[in-house]
Amino acid sequence: EAGVAQSPRYKIIEKRQSVAFWCNPISGHATLYWYQQILGQGPKLLIQFQNNGVVDDSQLPKDRFSAERLKGVDSTLKIQPAKLEDSAVYLCASSLRYRGQTLNTEAFFGQGTRLTVV
Amino acid sequence: EDKVVQSPLSLVVHEGDTVTLNCSYEVTNFRSLLWYKQEKKAPTFLFMLTSSGIEKKSGRLSSILDKKELFSILNITATQTGDSAIYLCAVFKGQGAQKLVFGQGTRLTINP
Repeated sequence: EAGVAQSPRYKIIEKRQSVAFWCNPISGHATLYWYQQILGQGPKLLIQFQNNGVVDDSQLPKDRFSAERLKGVDSTLKIQPAKLEDSAVYLCASSLRYRGQTLNTEAFFGQGTRLTVV
Repeated sequence: EDKVVQSPLSLVVHEGDTVTLNCSYEVTNFRSLLWYKQEKKAPTFLFMLTSSGIEKKSGRLSSILDKKELFSILNITATQTGDSAIYLCAVFKGQGAQKLVFGQGTRLTINP
């Protein structure tokens, strides 16, 4: 089974520039998450999709971050304009809930994108 | 506000020692608790716990959940240098579309 795919693996940009990250979840996984992990901290949820609908974006800085999941499969996360404090690893994950079940399965993570803003 | 708190934040032990990592949580609509190991960037799944008092075991790793006291522990026996990593605790919460909330992680270093 193919895992969660993310690209690029690394990105260095100057502050005020824009950047986009791409994620392809595991086939059939309806739930897709974007997390931001700053060095020394645990992952912080930015946005969660169920199919192509947003179910939680309460911690997404909407003045500069945006995300979409067209057709309920691939997703992109954009930052425009970037700030120095956006330097972090951006993790995409996906999980499955079987029909009729009340619990999600464990979330599977991609390799992440390490963003450095200079 | 939802909280997932791990302790200690950092731990350094010698190879062969046994370690216990702690995770406490305060969330609404708890569904399950998960443990992950993070060596480089991608966290890899270890355990998912939904019921109190039932130990899950995989080799030298084991974990148990206490839903009354709202905590979980992860034990690693006979530690090896390859166990050096950040261990993350996370909680699925909520009805319907469940949100996955992480703790800050425990950085474990195993010295030879």
